[in-house]
Amino acid sequence: QITLRESGPTLVKPTQTLTLTCTFSGFSLNTRGVGVGWIRQPPGKALEWLALIYWDDDKRYSPSLRSRLTITKDTSKNQVVLTMTNMGPLDTATYYCAQGIHHTASRWFDPWGQGALVTVSS
Amino acid sequence: QSVLTQPPSVSGAPGQRVTISCTGSSSNIGAGYDVHWYQQLPGTAPKLIIYINSNRPSGVPDRFSGSKSGPSASLAISGLQADDEADYYCQSYDGSLSASVFGTGTKVTVL
Repeated sequence: QITLRESGPTLVKPTQTLTLTCTFSGFSLNTRGVGVGWIRQPPGKALEWLALIYWDDDKRYSPSLRSRLTITKDTSKNQVVLTMTNMGPLDTATYYCAQGIHHTASRWFDPWGQGALVTVSS
Repeated sequence: QSVLTQPPSVSGAPGQRVTISCTGSSSNIGAGYDVHWYQQLPGTAPKLIIYINSNRPSGVPDRFSGSKSGPSASLAISGLQADDEADYYCQSYDGSLSASVFGTGTKVTVL
């Protein structure tokens, strides 16, 4: 059974850096075609893809947020860490991590973690 | 921010069939990239219900079906049930952005 769980602060102040950790089990980030992605969802709004790291350490970022995001993996701990700098009120959202599947030219996310609500407020 | 457009809402009576469209462009769905669909029940994380246009993961009822044609894709739900009330999102890949992209989301209401 594959599970993922997000952890990190629930409240950050404007201009601070957010660090979120995704701890997973049931799969290995050493397996070809496997990755872990981060997706967020502001309250009442749509899903927004943020970043993805693959088994070979290939990293992809949302073009609109690239300058603020860093994704890393620790294969020995089965963890993926996302950092987002210069947080602002519009970054208030539920942040999800999910297993990313890369099959031929196709990429999708399954399963997802339960999500972590992050509020940006002073 | 979403580059894939979905209708904000669709509704139907129990037992009816509803469809949700997902319209992209020549840099994503129209370029041949596959479409995937997620169901998000109230207060829960999204769940994959269709992958690679028309494939259902194990455990997803065959009432859910997907298709793709040109720059658009569709999700159909037949035999609508009360527990199908949820938000549904399409997702694809955009070659110009080199990024995964999600749709604007559709709320399905069972009348």
